Amino acid sequence: DVKVTQSSRYLVKRTGEKVFLECVQDMDHENMFWYRQDPGLGLRLIYFSYDVKMKEKGDIPEGYSVSREKKERFSLILESASTNQTSMYLCASSGPQGEKLFFGSGTQLSVL
Amino acid sequence: SQQGEEDPQALSIQEGENATMNCSYKTSINNLQWYRQNSGRGLVHLILIRSNEREKHSGRLRVTLDTSKKSSSLLITASRAADTASYFCATDKSKGTYKYIFGTGTRLKVLA
Repeated sequence: DVKVTQSSRYLVKRTGEKVFLECVQDMDHENMFWYRQDPGLGLRLIYFSYDVKMKEKGDIPEGYSVSREKKERFSLILESASTNQTSMYLCASSGPQGEKLFFGSGTQLSVL
Repeated sequence: SQQGEEDPQALSIQEGENATMNCSYKTSINNLQWYRQNSGRGLVHLILIRSNEREKHSGRLRVTLDTSKKSSSLLITASRAADTASYFCATDKSKGTYKYIFGTGTRLKVLA
């Protein structure tokens, strides 16, 4: 069964901390995505990667960076966490045709 | 604003009834997808309809696409309590890209 795994289901961090959210997929997919989901705002694209070491900004990249050193792993980094980054973070991947997205279960991040 | 916007925002129906959700989008697309999200979890792909298709079926799901009106609808027939979830449409941000933009979703509640 195909799988996108996010390392943490719940995470609580302090303001100013550096936060790493990890995502691993086992489908050999080229494309990987990070979205954040907030009530009333739906899912918003933070960053997208279409190949190892390649990345593109999404709609809300400010305050975030990403790393893709290996094909199966895509990390989202909050350089200095702030309270407005409290959110549900969803990782997804898709194959070469870039169509169907497979999502992880999400990480609910609280920044206090 | 979101590329895809669903309406209604929330829908409550009795088991056995049909549920219809609508999605509007702004730019030309390659395809439109519908996803389902159970409370607090990741999204699951339901169905994809391409820009040259007008209708598609999958089990109890029926999706229509009207590119002239830039809109789509998702019909769930003979709904069950287990269909209770949020439903999102997703469109490629610009035609031919692999970046998908999601709407704010329709929360469906099916009462037993």
